[in-house]
Amino acid sequence: DVKVTQSSRYLVKRTGEKVFLECVQDMDHENMFWYRQDPGLGLRLIYFSYDVKMKEKGDIPEGYSVSREKKERFSLILESASTNQTSMYLCASSLQGRPYEQYFGPGTRLTVT
Amino acid sequence: AQRVTQPEKLLSVFKGAPVELKCNYSYSGSPELFWYVQYSRQRLQLLLRHISRESIKGFTADLNKGETSFHLKKPFAQEEDSAMYYCALWGRSNYKLTFGKGTLLTVNP
Repeated sequence: DVKVTQSSRYLVKRTGEKVFLECVQDMDHENMFWYRQDPGLGLRLIYFSYDVKMKEKGDIPEGYSVSREKKERFSLILESASTNQTSMYLCASSLQGRPYEQYFGPGTRLTVT
Repeated sequence: AQRVTQPEKLLSVFKGAPVELKCNYSYSGSPELFWYVQYSRQRLQLLLRHISRESIKGFTADLNKGETSFHLKKPFAQEEDSAMYYCALWGRSNYKLTFGKGTLLTVNP
C-alpha cells in the first residue's frame, strides 16, 4: 500500500517567515509533485521532480522552491511566506512508467497571518 | 496549452438518480484523461482512466474526441458517492497532470 506522508496537517506561520513543508513516500517512486489546492481553483502544480536533485517548475512556481536530496523525500520551501500563500498543499508521487497515476498525501493546511 | 474545464462547481442529485459530471478538455495531441476523487476527510485518489475503459464503483467515463469531452457517469447514485471530483489530463510533452477546478457532488437521501 503506497504511503505518502506530509510533515504537518496544520501549520500557522507569520508573513515573512521561511516555511518548510516535507513530503516522504515509501514506495520507491521516481516522481514527486507539489500542488496547492484552493476552492474554486482546483489543484495547481507548483513544482515536480522526476529524479533525485532534479526539479521542474509547474504552473505557479513563483514564491516557492523545492529540494530533493533523497529519492523518498521532496521538500517545498516558501522563502518568505505571504498571506496569498495560505492554502492546502498536497504532495504526490508516482512511478516513472505511470506518471499520471499519482498517490497523494493527506495535505498540509498552511495559514499565513 | 492543455486545459480542463468542469463547468459545474456543484451538483446535487437524489439517491438512485443518474449522475453525470461534465469534463471538457483542450489538448493538441492524443489525450490521456483521468478522474480523481476526494471523499470527505480522505486523500485525493485516482478513480479511473479512459484507456482502461473499466467501471469503478459503478462509474464509467467515455472519451469523446469529437466533442473533446470525458464525462463521468453513474446510472444510480449512492450517498457514498458524495465527494469532490476532479477531471485531469496528462500531457506527455510537458509531463504534467492538469486538473479541472472540480465538481462537488452531493447525493441526497
